[in-house]
Amino acid sequence: DQQVKQNSPSLSVQEGRISILNCDYTNSMFDYFLWYKKYPAEGPTFLISISSIKDKNEDGRFTVFLNKSAKHLSLHIVPSQPGDSAVYFCAASAIKNKLIFGTGTLLAVQP
Amino acid sequence: SQTIHQWPATLVQPVGSPLSLECTVEGTSNPNLYWYRQAAGRGLQLLFYSVGIGQISSEVPQNLSASRPQDRQFILSSKKLLLSDSGFYLCAWSVSAEAFFGQGTRLTVV
Repeated sequence: DQQVKQNSPSLSVQEGRISILNCDYTNSMFDYFLWYKKYPAEGPTFLISISSIKDKNEDGRFTVFLNKSAKHLSLHIVPSQPGDSAVYFCAASAIKNKLIFGTGTLLAVQP
Repeated sequence: SQTIHQWPATLVQPVGSPLSLECTVEGTSNPNLYWYRQAAGRGLQLLFYSVGIGQISSEVPQNLSASRPQDRQFILSSKKLLLSDSGFYLCAWSVSAEAFFGQGTRLTVV
């Protein structure tokens, strides 16, 4: 039972354009959502998060949007840079802060 | 500042051999500790979760076990490895919602 889903395994974007990464979840008990970035053979690094009481959180080039009614969140990267190329994971948390991750989206930013 | 140490970085083990991966956290007290596995081409699967010494939650039935003998030490073990245990194992800690990961261990069972 995949509670957090990233339906796009990969995404290719031109440098300078917007990257939009999507994530859907099924558990209505999730109250905190996070995005992580991962390079090969390394641990994921935390990017940005959003609480369920908000619908938008912005940090520099990164913005996360949350649509609770649709159980959907997205990560926008603007402008995209070649160094953003990595696997992006969304994650969700309910009670006890146990994080459930999606399957990841490989972002390739073309120079 | 908080740091997390996970070792070894890579490991090649024969089928049927035992496994012990260790993770330690510095600079924080009573963290939540996690073991995740990333199989080839797949996402991060939560294997074990601990909220305190001796308190382990297993998320999926499998050939692995976990122990937390000290507040900031988390150990992943197996008595007999299977080929399907190959993957990238990640330890993580948290005190709030954000989790912070170690560098991972690439385990290859041959």
